[in-house]
Amino acid sequence: EVQLVESGGGLVQPGGSLRLSCAASGFTFSTYAMSWVRQAPGKGLEWVSGISDSGFSTHYADSVKGRFTISRDNSKNTLYLQMNSLRAEDTAVYYCAKRRCSNGVCSTILRGASEDWGQGTLVTVSS
Amino acid sequence: DIQMTQSPSSVSAFVGDRVTITCRATQDISRWLAWYQQKPGKAPKLLVYSATTLQGGVPSRFSGSGSGTDFTLTISSLQPEDFATYYCQQANSFPVTFGQGTRLEIK
Repeated sequence: EVQLVESGGGLVQPGGSLRLSCAASGFTFSTYAMSWVRQAPGKGLEWVSGISDSGFSTHYADSVKGRFTISRDNSKNTLYLQMNSLRAEDTAVYYCAKRRCSNGVCSTILRGASEDWGQGTLVTVSS
Repeated sequence: DIQMTQSPSSVSAFVGDRVTITCRATQDISRWLAWYQQKPGKAPKLLVYSATTLQGGVPSRFSGSGSGTDFTLTISSLQPEDFATYYCQQANSFPVTFGQGTRLEIK
């Protein structure tokens, strides 16, 4: 059974930093692209960042580019999101999500969908 | 960036009704569109990928259609458990983008 468990959320002051983790199990983590998606309170879903299976290729939403860094440690089956220069508008539940393989392609974000999601971790940016 | 616009933003319907949600992209995204269902306090659930393919375990009353810029999600006969918020998502190009969501409420 696929399990994705996010951690690291909490209350942080504007301008502060936080690192989220997503522990993966139940599948061969190193062969799947992964994403972070967030949802502000009462709002819709927003894709934040994605990373290829190897970690070589990373992509970001314009709203977080230059402030957030996605990474992964395939030896630890863990996905990360380093968040710096946090703003009030970054307040949200952050989900990690695993790509669904299509035609044997699992390694990249594009031309795919997210079939497994974690339960989310809440990040609150406030003074 | 590709913008995804869903309509309607909210809809009320009876159990047993047929409901259609549309999603329009500002550029051609071929068939790289997915639909998700989300219930309050829960993570999204993948319903449809590649515009028309039903994810395993999803009831056959759900169906997706479209290609290019115009897509639809249809629920043929609403069940009580279908009342939720639905999102489309394009994965044709970065940044990946979601529609604003369609809230489906019971009438």
